[in-house]
Amino acid sequence: GAGVSQTPSNKVTEKGKYVELRCDPISGHTALYWYRQSLGQGPEFLIYFQGTGAADDSGLPNDRFFAVRPEGSVSTLKIQRTERGDSAVYLCASSLSSLAETQYFGPGTRLLVL
Amino acid sequence: AQSVSQHNHHVILSEAASLELGCNYSYGGTVNLFWYVQYPGQHLQLLLKYFSGDPLVKGIKGFEAEFIKSKFSFNLRKPSVQWSDTAEYFCAVLTGGGNKLTFGTGTQLKVEL
Repeated sequence: GAGVSQTPSNKVTEKGKYVELRCDPISGHTALYWYRQSLGQGPEFLIYFQGTGAADDSGLPNDRFFAVRPEGSVSTLKIQRTERGDSAVYLCASSLSSLAETQYFGPGTRLLVL
Repeated sequence: AQSVSQHNHHVILSEAASLELGCNYSYGGTVNLFWYVQYPGQHLQLLLKYFSGDPLVKGIKGFEAEFIKSKFSFNLRKPSVQWSDTAEYFCAVLTGGGNKLTFGTGTQLKVEL
């Protein structure tokens, strides 16, 4: 596609529920990244995929967060037992490769946990 | 851990005024530096980047930034702002293995007519 796409654009859920956020990277980009942006802050790194494998998941805040990229293209960020503190904009980015390449961002998914 | 500091959180300028937004980073090794912009209702877009070579980098829409290694700085400049430059600006550093961006907290710029 022309750019990184993310669905849904907005998600409202209740505390304790499970959510999935989807990212479709730019065609041909092998590297995919997830970031989280809280109000008044810059994006914070969560996880990075090179191909199908998670090369760096050091930014995931705890084991309630998990991400997959089974075919090396679309990725899903999964959050179990959501908490109110998980409310944020979740951003996805992709780059041509993983070596010092420009990352192109999607529009984000705004998650609100009630 | 790497960190990025943006000193100005909110800036208000009149059209045609000059702009300089500060950015300092803490990493001492090889860095790749970026400025991203987020216009109201839109997603993050790349404004300019520095990887190597000439430390004065020119980007889109008349923006430029200067990498000063001795000061760990990468300040963003524009000689004459326009109302359409109203946006949030983020400085970011790509470090180490080149797979993780560390962002500053952002600067909200408002340009008044």
